[in-house]
Amino acid sequence: ETGVTQTPRHLVMGMTNKKSLKCEQHLGHNAMYWYKQSAKKPLELMFVYSLEERVENNSVPSRFSPECPNSSHLFLHLHTLQPEDSALYLCASSQERRGEQYFGPGTRLTVT
Amino acid sequence: GIQVEQSPPDLILQEGANSTLRCNFSDSVNNLQWFHQNPWGQLINLFYIPSGTKQNGRLSATTVATERYSLLYISSSQTTDSGVYFCAAYNTDKLIFGTGTRLQVFP
Repeated sequence: ETGVTQTPRHLVMGMTNKKSLKCEQHLGHNAMYWYKQSAKKPLELMFVYSLEERVENNSVPSRFSPECPNSSHLFLHLHTLQPEDSALYLCASSQERRGEQYFGPGTRLTVT
Repeated sequence: GIQVEQSPPDLILQEGANSTLRCNFSDSVNNLQWFHQNPWGQLINLFYIPSGTKQNGRLSATTVATERYSLLYISSSQTTDSGVYFCAAYNTDKLIFGTGTRLQVFP
């Protein structure tokens, strides 16, 4: 595997389900990010981790819970989501914070 | 915070045509990136260009930081160039994305 990978690529979940999105970077980077892309809206930064510490939480509802167990892996745990949370969730990484960011292919999430 | 605006919002071209996409930002930036989002949602890095000019094949980009804009040039466009082009600028700690230019290239 090279670059940034994300699984699953597609996810359909009910509002009472709990699921997790996974991101893995194979670039040796120290910073990782979660973004949300909704239809007809700019990409929105959700969370930033630098050296495994959360350094940014962009007023994201608590039903989204990030986890960064090491510098290569990032998770987004989802529970009791709303239909308006349906979106493309993108993971990115960079060598250092404020560096050039590289994105994964995204997880397309549908909440029913 | 910083505002990033892109123009035009939509662009339709015939294969072989050239185009220029523009990105304006409202404040000084630490760096600027151009991305191409393909129909499957993948964001592909095109340029990391805080200032100056870079070229990569049929694509080139110029950023004039003092005048707060960046341009992306696509020459001899191909159908595979279709998709959405985003610029994104760093202001302090966040990468702020523009709303994109949707490009459609027809054969």
